[in-house]
Amino acid sequence: DGGITQSPKYLFRKEGQNVTLSCEQNLNHDAMYWYRQDPGQGLRLIYYSQIVNDFQKGDIAEGYSVSREKKESFPLTVTSAQKNPTAFYLCASTHNGANVLTFGAGSRLTVL
Amino acid sequence: DQQVKQNSPSLSVQEGRISILNCDYTNSMFDYFLWYKKYPAEGPTFLISISSIKDKNEDGRFTVFLNKSAKHLSLHIVPSQPGDSAVYFCAASDSNYQLIWGAGTKLIIKP
Repeated sequence: DGGITQSPKYLFRKEGQNVTLSCEQNLNHDAMYWYRQDPGQGLRLIYYSQIVNDFQKGDIAEGYSVSREKKESFPLTVTSAQKNPTAFYLCASTHNGANVLTFGAGSRLTVL
Repeated sequence: DQQVKQNSPSLSVQEGRISILNCDYTNSMFDYFLWYKKYPAEGPTFLISISSIKDKNEDGRFTVFLNKSAKHLSLHIVPSQPGDSAVYFCAASDSNYQLIWGAGTKLIIKP
């Protein structure tokens, strides 16, 4: 079955630690996205990538980093510079030029 | 500056009745609108969409209406079923295909 796999589903981090969230898709989609969801808010775009080895900052990129070395993979690193990292993180993908995103199941990060 | 607003954080509807979820936007350059449904601890799933050249799109129990002059769209679910209980997000895109999301409305279907 084609889809997007995010891991881990739940992650706990101590303050000052970097963590990396994995996102893999087998949909042959060109574009991949990382969103953050906080209670009572819409999804906010962190980073997106429309092609391998290229990515763009979204609205809230500070404290995050990404890479796109393979078409299928778009990992997100939450660095210690992110002041409020506790959130639900969603990865999505789509064909370039398409509006409908396919989402993964999400990763919940909690900073202790 | 919220370009897409869902002013009702929650909505409670009796099973079998119509559910109407509303969404307002401010950017007249938006040309495509989508509704997503999200269950707790899961990713959103696409429900229905509408292009700005239309004023209505229907898919089974789900209908989306677009009023461009009012910059308003609504999602109608009829009849409402228990499995419809979820958070519904409205999203809008412009020619760059970047989506702007509303804050979501939690729909509760009462038996």
